[in-house]
Amino acid sequence: GAVVSQHPSRVICKSGTSVKIECRSLDFQATTMFWYRQFPKKSLMLMATSNEGSKATYEQGVEKDKFLINHASLTLSTLTVTSAHPEDSSFYICSISGGTYEQYFGPGTRLTVT
Amino acid sequence: QKEVEQNSGPLSVPEGAIASLNCTYSDRGSQSFFWYRQYSGKSPELIMFIYSNGDKEDGRFTAQLNKASQYVSLLIRDSQPSDSATYLCAVIPQGAQKLVFGQGTRLTINP
Repeated sequence: GAVVSQHPSRVICKSGTSVKIECRSLDFQATTMFWYRQFPKKSLMLMATSNEGSKATYEQGVEKDKFLINHASLTLSTLTVTSAHPEDSSFYICSISGGTYEQYFGPGTRLTVT
Repeated sequence: QKEVEQNSGPLSVPEGAIASLNCTYSDRGSQSFFWYRQYSGKSPELIMFIYSNGDKEDGRFTAQLNKASQYVSLLIRDSQPSDSATYLCAVIPQGAQKLVFGQGTRLTINP
């Protein structure tokens, strides 16, 4: 399967600050990347679909002005959590589509907002 | 009704036995079905995908799909303690590109 990296793996930030999370496809040119969020003991919830060179498509209930997504190249998508609050603390995971329909996930970024 | 449903468990199986995980889905037009394994604190790892009715085997894992009954299952033969994890069923609904996940089944293999 495709290899996906994320950076950072863990981040702690103060309430009101912004945090940027990078997702890289290391061995595959990904025209589409996906961003998920997972709260403890819950399943993955899709936040948005990131398309290279165009605007991301956000799921219902996800604020696009709060969660800024940039997919500037075929190997890099970034998610910026703006004005983070404690309720944004979660496990953020990106994935890429493997050419057919399966998705391969990055290792995730654990965000803690204090 | 949730789009993808799984028994949250926990499901306990003795080492060496067969673990059976089940999943039902609501969109009859769904075409693609996936099983992911997620260890605690880690991201999901793709185990198998299945597109056609019937069984698909890969090592100790067998995925079974029954589109008429709208269920997909995963069998793990010769269960090992390292198989202890949460197993996520995911479906791509008709006309969609995105995965829809079930809530996951927590599996524990007892030595």
